[in-house]
Amino acid sequence: QQPVQSPQAVILREGEDAVINCSSSKALYSVHWYRQKHGEAPVFLMILLKGGEQKGHEKISASFNEKKQQSSLYLTASQLSYSGTYFCGTEGPSGAGSYQLTFGKGTKLSVIP
Amino acid sequence: DGGITQSPKYLFRKEGQNVTLSCEQNLNHDAMYWYRQDPGQGLRLIYYSQIVNDFQKGDIAEGYSVSREKKESFPLTVTSAQKNPTAFYLCASSIVWVNTGELFFGEGSRLTVL
Repeated sequence: QQPVQSPQAVILREGEDAVINCSSSKALYSVHWYRQKHGEAPVFLMILLKGGEQKGHEKISASFNEKKQQSSLYLTASQLSYSGTYFCGTEGPSGAGSYQLTFGKGTKLSVIP
Repeated sequence: DGGITQSPKYLFRKEGQNVTLSCEQNLNHDAMYWYRQDPGQGLRLIYYSQIVNDFQKGDIAEGYSVSREKKESFPLTVTSAQKNPTAFYLCASSIVWVNTGELFFGEGSRLTVL
């Protein structure tokens, strides 16, 4: 079951801030965030693990509320290079007893001068 | 340089034909994945493999098949049973479990059915 991302799209001017949300209906083990530019492969931004551990790029911040099964990605002082589609991927137990990553439909971010 | 190589980058297929997309990685990762991407749908998991000679169905496995005979290779076959195969296909790998680290993606293969 895909996590739900909001908003679906957002337009920012350089220097403005944005928050992208990701919500799941099932218990989560971790949340991943990726950014994809048009025609390119998704690029890793951050992993947030149950228990509070985070791994990722220094300039990206995010939160993970395990009880609410929600995560938010915070983009501050946006730059033109931030433009792209942001995907959250949620990891939880699958029926086969292993773990798989399920991605949301994405949030398209456009930063304009 | 380490990474994931997908080929071909573009592929055209006639209806009723099977096609195989190649995915090779030299990152020494145990886990490999195939995702399908359609506009507005995000990335949907087709198959994944955590060790050689073993693989699991993802959310949309119908009409697809895979093999994992070598650690570095995870080819995907799109069969004639796949009703709507036109899409962008992404291969990825990770160390073992996704929670231990990031997914590394290939550049993708765009399949068009004529």
